[in-house]
Amino acid sequence: QIMLTQQAESLWISPGERVSITCRASQSLLYTDGKHYLSWYQQRPGQTTKALIYHASVRTDGVPTRFIGSGSGTEFTLSIEHVQPEDFAIYYCLQTLKSPYTFGAGTKLELK
Amino acid sequence: QVTLKESGPGILQPSQTLSLTCSFSGFSLSTYGMCVVWIRQSSGKGLEWLANIWWNDSQDYNPSLKNRLTISKDTSNNQVFLRITNMDTADTATYYCARRHVYYGLFDYWGQGVMVTVSS
Repeated sequence: QIMLTQQAESLWISPGERVSITCRASQSLLYTDGKHYLSWYQQRPGQTTKALIYHASVRTDGVPTRFIGSGSGTEFTLSIEHVQPEDFAIYYCLQTLKSPYTFGAGTKLELK
Repeated sequence: QVTLKESGPGILQPSQTLSLTCSFSGFSLSTYGMCVVWIRQSSGKGLEWLANIWWNDSQDYNPSLKNRLTISKDTSNNQVFLRITNMDTADTATYYCARRHVYYGLFDYWGQGVMVTVSS
């Protein structure tokens, strides 16, 4: 199965800063249609899990433009510019290129 | 507006069978390309995809639990079901259902999750 590694378990940042969360796949997530099947999710206590990014770099409807997905092949990044108080949460990457679909272990943004 | 909600027994004993229901609205599983997935989250193993069922009744299972899982649907009542046999304490987790987007491979809407505890 494809393994996803999110190296950082936690990142400590202050509101207004920029942060990058990385996700590394054990094999390329590029499909024959030219898309990468890598998506990003946000989990906050008491709220449903929110889909942020799909195809590595496309924001889902309503996601603020400060959330930026990038990367290709096996290396992917979720960047958040000018972090807002509501962005302190846990972020997961997910690959849906091949079954079994797999998640990264998650990166928690914590207030510095 | 798409919503999903999970329901289940809350607590059960080892070796019992878990039956979960995902009740959804805002879309139909009879529509081409639609898919509902089950995911669980435990403190020990993080997020784990379990199974999904497509509009055409095609099913996929995580091989690590395949022999224990059965996913099914009731299209008329907008429900998807998951059964897990021979539950163990290691299966204690929050279980989520989500919709998989037709084209993007994205789990675009999630339920709140239902906590399941396996304990004797």
